[in-house]
Amino acid sequence: AQKVTQAQTEISVVEKEDVTLDCVYETRDTTYYLFWYKQPPSGELVFLIRRNSFDEQNEISGRYSWNFQKSTSSFNFTITASQVVDSAVYFCALSHSNSGYALNFGKGTSLLVTP
Amino acid sequence: EPEVTQTPSHQVTQMGQEVILRCVPISNHLYFYWYRQILGQKVEFLVSFYNNEISEKSEIFDDQFSVERPDGSNFTLKIRSTKLEDSAMYFCASSESVGFTSYEQYFGPGTRLTVT
Repeated sequence: AQKVTQAQTEISVVEKEDVTLDCVYETRDTTYYLFWYKQPPSGELVFLIRRNSFDEQNEISGRYSWNFQKSTSSFNFTITASQVVDSAVYFCALSHSNSGYALNFGKGTSLLVTP
Repeated sequence: EPEVTQTPSHQVTQMGQEVILRCVPISNHLYFYWYRQILGQKVEFLVSFYNNEISEKSEIFDDQFSVERPDGSNFTLKIRSTKLEDSAMYFCASSESVGFTSYEQYFGPGTRLTVT
């Protein structure tokens, strides 16, 4: 069985603060894929990043960074110097070949960035 | 930039009616998916489709649901007899391939289905 847990339901920060969104996953597969998607108030799902289980290298993209740690089954997402436009629901997701690569989403973390 | 499109953006239907939700995946993509999101809840997988057949489906995807790729561009989700609990946002997604090479699923803007 596979499961994604995003324990933080809602986070509120003031603009320019750094914020980390937690994602913990469970899977029995040795090969799997982890994702983050952003859902702004307009409702669409925007792909942010994919990580393969055999690639633990952390990644930075502008103000976004991701910390993948297999030892703790975590794939955390940090936004540095948050902006109002970062306000959205962020979903972590897991997939593997045994499930036809279907994305198994966590419940999401709603991030509110206030001026 | 290529994108997944979905029509209609909003569909209102009466309980028991059939609805067809339409999607046009990105043109060079080979894998297609439907997901749904009940208001305020997480995104749930319904079905994946490859090479003109279903490759995986969830428990939600029961006999009331069907998918089809009627031509080279469209990908449809049909709900035969809608129930109130089918009210949700339905997302179509597509990916170029699967596995570690190129596997991002790109989502359409969604169709909000309201069953009354």
